[in-house]
Amino acid sequence: QSALTQPASVSGSPGQSITISCTGTSRDIGTYNYVSWHQHHPGKAPKLILYKVNNRPSGVPSRFSGSKSGNTASLTISRLLPEDEADFYCSSFTTTTGTWVFGGGTKLTVL
Amino acid sequence: QVKLVQSGAEVKKPGASVILSCKASGFTFTTYYMHWVRQAPGQGLEWMGSISPKGDVRNYQQTLQDRFSMTKDSSTRTLYMELRGLRSEDTAVYYCVKDGNDFNFDYWGQGTLVAVSS
Repeated sequence: QSALTQPASVSGSPGQSITISCTGTSRDIGTYNYVSWHQHHPGKAPKLILYKVNNRPSGVPSRFSGSKSGNTASLTISRLLPEDEADFYCSSFTTTTGTWVFGGGTKLTVL
Repeated sequence: QVKLVQSGAEVKKPGASVILSCKASGFTFTTYYMHWVRQAPGQGLEWMGSISPKGDVRNYQQTLQDRFSMTKDSSTRTLYMELRGLRSEDTAVYYCVKDGNDFNFDYWGQGTLVAVSS
């Protein structure tokens, strides 16, 4: 199962919005709405910020939102804050029974 | 609160095996799937495998099938993984992850560094 495709990096200024794409195939994102996004500050454990495309766990700000179209999912972060700077990973359930795949990760820089 | 406390860093030689543990607390261990995910230096996250709440169903990353196994001890609330025939490319931080029972990974352990070097 190949990794999902994410841009290596994105950047934005405080207060702006950014979108990170995550492209898979009909064997994962195209079949299931089981796409999650994780925020990872280096040296810490990754944190779940969205699941089932656009559901936020308790405590995650509404500035984080998700969408999906065909084989591509997207994470949008509105009103960027300096502390949003981190690596972001998408993941999806796949049609290979009971397995998952992650994206390669996107480094967000808040300028 | 949910806690996943992993065993300490390991240094291994190529060809050796490594067993990592993950002690869970703060939730009903026999109700949730558990996963292992790793991150090699400078690389992204890689899902390795999962084990069912009762421990009777395991699913593994196809590329690791022959070298990787997961077990769990419900009496001690501990998750284990074993990786055999270690290679330099297995050098990574390994994370124990709790499934949220809603197709997500909702809690992560602190990570364990495994370094493979001759």
